[in-house]
Amino acid sequence: RKEVEQDPGPFNVPEGATVAFNCTYSNSASQSFFWYRQDCRKEPKLLMSVYSSGNEDGRFTAQLNRASQYISLLIRDSKLSDSATYLCVVRDAGGTSYGKLTFGQGTILTVHP
Amino acid sequence: SAVISQKPSRDICQRGTSLTIQCQVDSQVTMMFWYRQQPGQSLTLIATANQGSEATYESGFVIDKFPISRPNLTFSTLTVSNMSPEDSSIYLCSVYRGGTEAFFGQGTRLTVV
Repeated sequence: RKEVEQDPGPFNVPEGATVAFNCTYSNSASQSFFWYRQDCRKEPKLLMSVYSSGNEDGRFTAQLNRASQYISLLIRDSKLSDSATYLCVVRDAGGTSYGKLTFGQGTILTVHP
Repeated sequence: SAVISQKPSRDICQRGTSLTIQCQVDSQVTMMFWYRQQPGQSLTLIATANQGSEATYESGFVIDKFPISRPNLTFSTLTVSNMSPEDSSIYLCSVYRGGTEAFFGQGTRLTVV
């Protein structure tokens, strides 16, 4: 079983659509959770951190369920510029693996006119 | 935000040769991370490099194949040794800023022929 698993995708949605990505992680000791965005041929960049209470940043809403070891990202009113690969990322708690990030395989989103 | 200058941005190398990738950070950081992103896949951590100590390698990666230098708190190199076509990937360095957000270099796109 992969440490971080995401929806296989790809997702092809029209502008204005709402799309949701899911992610599960296997290490119950994981400490921090993130969604990163990677544009084609570019490096990943942080989209948002994910908190247990849930958090929102404009059209983006992230949720974390520690009991189920489940993370989600909701994008409302999709824009063409949202087209990218979305990476679910988990950070270990500490010890010898302090700071280690584990990436999901990524979900490709294409928003079309 | 952290500024990481990574070079070369791309290279085409003959099998059996070695390539050294450099990352320069605009400020001092304790840990630097090296990742590999194989075609169509997500990022996999190769090793963690602390200044003044040997790098810590993840399962499946060894020092003889991927020697790392960390001569000071702003600079690191990763060498891909005795290359084969299977080493064709994007290699990225990464640092943390603000304790939680990971920043990445622009990546080195390596093709081994």
